[in-house]
Amino acid sequence: SQWGEENLQALSIQEGEDVTMNCSYKTYTTVVHWYRQDSGRGPALIILIRSNEREKRSGRLRATLDTSSQSSSLSITAAQCEDTAVYFCATDQGGSAKLIFGEGTKLTVSS
Amino acid sequence: GPKVLQIPSHQIIDMGQMVTLNCDPVSNHLYFYWYKQILGQQMEFLVNFYNGKVMEKSKLFKDQFSVERPDGSYFTLKIQPTALEDSAVYFCASSPYWGGSYEQYFGPGTRLTVL
Repeated sequence: SQWGEENLQALSIQEGEDVTMNCSYKTYTTVVHWYRQDSGRGPALIILIRSNEREKRSGRLRATLDTSSQSSSLSITAAQCEDTAVYFCATDQGGSAKLIFGEGTKLTVSS
Repeated sequence: GPKVLQIPSHQIIDMGQMVTLNCDPVSNHLYFYWYKQILGQQMEFLVNFYNGKVMEKSKLFKDQFSVERPDGSYFTLKIQPTALEDSAVYFCASSPYWGGSYEQYFGPGTRLTVL
């Protein structure tokens, strides 16, 4: 999972497996962003889930949000090698325009 | 999709020198951001900017930092003077709307090394 003082977490899976990454946040947020960052590139938004949504799907991606426990998850179904990247969650601290990022999870998908 | 460009991709300078990082945001975006990422660590917000003004800044945005976007050209981050702890990758972002519930589009980053 992300947040706190821990370093970048790493997950290694085989192609075709499902994977879930977790994120917990400390202050109220109106939305949770999930970004992926490929090596040497900037983050790119992959899914955004708002505080009035419990679940959001986009292709093989599924995000959940539990505002009561201040946590979110990102699941990838049938992971592929091209899913290899670092995944970050980010929150807006109640609608502020500054995003607060988690430490990230480095996902490696092997064939 | 919309692209944010950053120039240069790498910059190496000596401590105490001035450096300017340049960002070419998405053309119709009005809101601009700088984030800092130290290798292997999380992205951290520095500052956001709208209509010629800093709207929000973090404690990482030291007095030695400044931002501007003169005449609608590049959105710049200037550090003067630089310090060793300024070594990081700096990401610029832009968005068409204000607020954290809208997507911010990130550039590829400028890797700054201060010697």
